Amino acid sequence: GAVVSQHPSRVICKSGTSVKIECRSLDFQATTMFWYRQFPKQSLMLMATSNEGSKATYEQGVEKDKFLINHASLTLSTLTVTSAHPEDSSFYICSAPTGGADGYTFGSGTRLTVV
Amino acid sequence: GEDVEQSLFLSVREGDSSVINCTYTDSSSTYLYWYKQEPGAGLQLLTYIFSNMDMKQDQRLTVLLNKKDKHLSLRIADTQTGDSAIYFCAEREDYKLSFGAGTTVTVRA
Repeated sequence: GAVVSQHPSRVICKSGTSVKIECRSLDFQATTMFWYRQFPKQSLMLMATSNEGSKATYEQGVEKDKFLINHASLTLSTLTVTSAHPEDSSFYICSAPTGGADGYTFGSGTRLTVV
Repeated sequence: GEDVEQSLFLSVREGDSSVINCTYTDSSSTYLYWYKQEPGAGLQLLTYIFSNMDMKQDQRLTVLLNKKDKHLSLRIADTQTGDSAIYFCAEREDYKLSFGAGTTVTVRA
C-alpha cells in the first residue's frame, strides 16, 4: 500500500534554531501533503496543505513565516520550523491522499522538543 | 465548520467488547474513518465507512453509522491488551479530514 516515510522521528533543538521535517511518498506520487500538529492528549490540528509546484495553503492562525512548507517534487514535502521556541514543541504528522476510499496515509510523526 | 466529538476515555476488561462513540456535525461528509494511534506513533487506519452505509464489519471491528443522528460508533470484539491506544474518528469533506479529540482505550486484565 501507499507509504509515507517521515523523518526524523524525534529531534531536540535549541531555541532560535530551525528544524526541517521531511515526508516522502515511497511508492506513489503525492501531489498533496497535509501537515498536522498534535498537542499531548489532543486531536490533530491541520496546519497547512502543500501542493507540488505551488504555494502551500495555511489554516487560520498558523504563521506562514514560522512554519515554512515546501513541496518541491511529487514525492517530497518538507516542513521547516524556523527560529524554534519551546512553545513549538509538539508532535508533527504529515499525511497524503492515497486516491482511494481509504483516504490517506500518515507518516509516523516527528516529536520536536525545543530546549 | 466541522466539529467531531468523542468521549475521552474508555476502560475495558480483556476479552470484553469495546464501543467507542463519535458524533459529527457535517451532513455532507462523504467518508468517516476510525484511526488508531499508539504512543509516539502516527495514525493507523482501522476502517472507514461510506456515508450511504449503515454498517461495516471487518473481523473484530464493527462500524455503525446513524446518518440521521450524525452518530458513528466503533465496536471492537474480544478486546486485547494490544488494543490499548488512542482511537480517533474523522469525517471527510472534499479532501479535508476533521478529527475528534481521541478516545483513550485502556484494556485491563
